Amino acid sequence: SAVISQKPSRDICQRGTSLTIQCQVDSQVTMMFWYRQQPGQSLTLIATANQGSEATYESGFVIDKFPISRPNLTFSTLTVSNMSPEDSSIYLCSGGQGNHEQYFGPGTRLTVT
Amino acid sequence: SQQGEEDPQALSIQEGENATMNCSYKTSINNLQWYRQNSGRGLVHLILIRSNEREKHSGRLRVTLDTSKKSSSLLITASRAADTASYFCATDAWFNKFYFGSGTKLNVKP
Repeated sequence: SAVISQKPSRDICQRGTSLTIQCQVDSQVTMMFWYRQQPGQSLTLIATANQGSEATYESGFVIDKFPISRPNLTFSTLTVSNMSPEDSSIYLCSGGQGNHEQYFGPGTRLTVT
Repeated sequence: SQQGEEDPQALSIQEGENATMNCSYKTSINNLQWYRQNSGRGLVHLILIRSNEREKHSGRLRVTLDTSKKSSSLLITASRAADTASYFCATDAWFNKFYFGSGTKLNVKP
């Protein structure tokens, strides 16, 4: 299994600013993903973080708004840019070895005022 | 949801009873996973079932998969108050990306 940590665990940000969320895995993983979860709702996949190349975004999510980096097999960042109150959510990263179990970080709770 | 739906949306049972929740998905899959999420907490991986498997057990959990109906079920036997949580299925359709169902909120009353 993999243990995944995220920083920060929560933050309150002002409209128009940006926040970068870090995701660290304790072992090398093939796949890393970023999800968003509104309170009481399910998880929505934002993008696949590709090591050494541009992330692959799901429909409705764009690189300008959610730039993602993945410099190696254990680390990734998600930036939420030019934030609005609609971006208030929990952001989770996950990692796993391809077609196997996927493990999740504890999430970052973001509130935009 | 991006991939599928779960039912019921909410389930309330007494401790000791069995809980069954169902997941339906839209496209062919490689595998399906079930997760538990306690309120305000991260997701805990429960079980993975591959598309060529029909049933899998883990402790008090039993998962079935019917690829012809594009559906899966999670059975929790002899439920406990500590099983109170939201349960999600997640399907791996392509490129090893996992899409989540809408979730079932389970409340087990002591």
